Amino acid sequence: RKEVEQDPGPFNVPEGATVAFNCTYSNSASQSFFWYRQDCRKEPKLLMSVYSSGNEDGRFTAQLNRASQYISLLIRDSKLSDSATYLCVVKISGTYKYIFGTGTRLKVLA
Amino acid sequence: DAGVIQSPRHEVTEMGQEVTLRCKPISGHNSLFWYRQTMMRGLELLIYFNNNVPIDDSGMPEDRFSAKMPNASFSTLKIQPSEPRDSAVYFCASMNRVGYVETQYFGPGTRLLVL
Repeated sequence: RKEVEQDPGPFNVPEGATVAFNCTYSNSASQSFFWYRQDCRKEPKLLMSVYSSGNEDGRFTAQLNRASQYISLLIRDSKLSDSATYLCVVKISGTYKYIFGTGTRLKVLA
Repeated sequence: DAGVIQSPRHEVTEMGQEVTLRCKPISGHNSLFWYRQTMMRGLELLIYFNNNVPIDDSGMPEDRFSAKMPNASFSTLKIQPSEPRDSAVYFCASMNRVGYVETQYFGPGTRLLVL
């Protein structure tokens, strides 16, 4: 079983739609959680950190469920420019080890 | 700031040749990571340095891989001898901390093709 699992997609959604991705992790020592965005043939870039209480940044909302060991990302009013691969990232407590999921591809269609 | 700089951006080599990838982290960042990304395995951590010291190299696939960080502004990842299965995109990332917030900044990557 992979340490961090994501549905690879692609998720094809029309502009303006709301879309949600989930990510599950297996290591209960996971301490910190992030969503990164990666455009085609580019480097990953931090989208947002995920806090225990959940957090929102504009159209993006991230949630953490420690009991079930999953995190989620919700994108509202999706734009064409949101088309990318979204990587779920988990940091293991007491280490500098960041575990990346293989990503979920999103295509927003005009 | 120019961000994390990697060179070369592309490398095509033949099996058995030595490959050296280079990275210049963002000034002031004291943590540096090397990752490898493939379609099948995604992004894998190879090694990370803190204050120029290798902390964890458990992700380095085998002895053919080695990494150094002689100073705070330069790191190398070397593959000797290279094999076709080493073909991947290699990313370097540096990290800073502001309070409890840690952010990794990735370089543009080196696309390596071993024939």
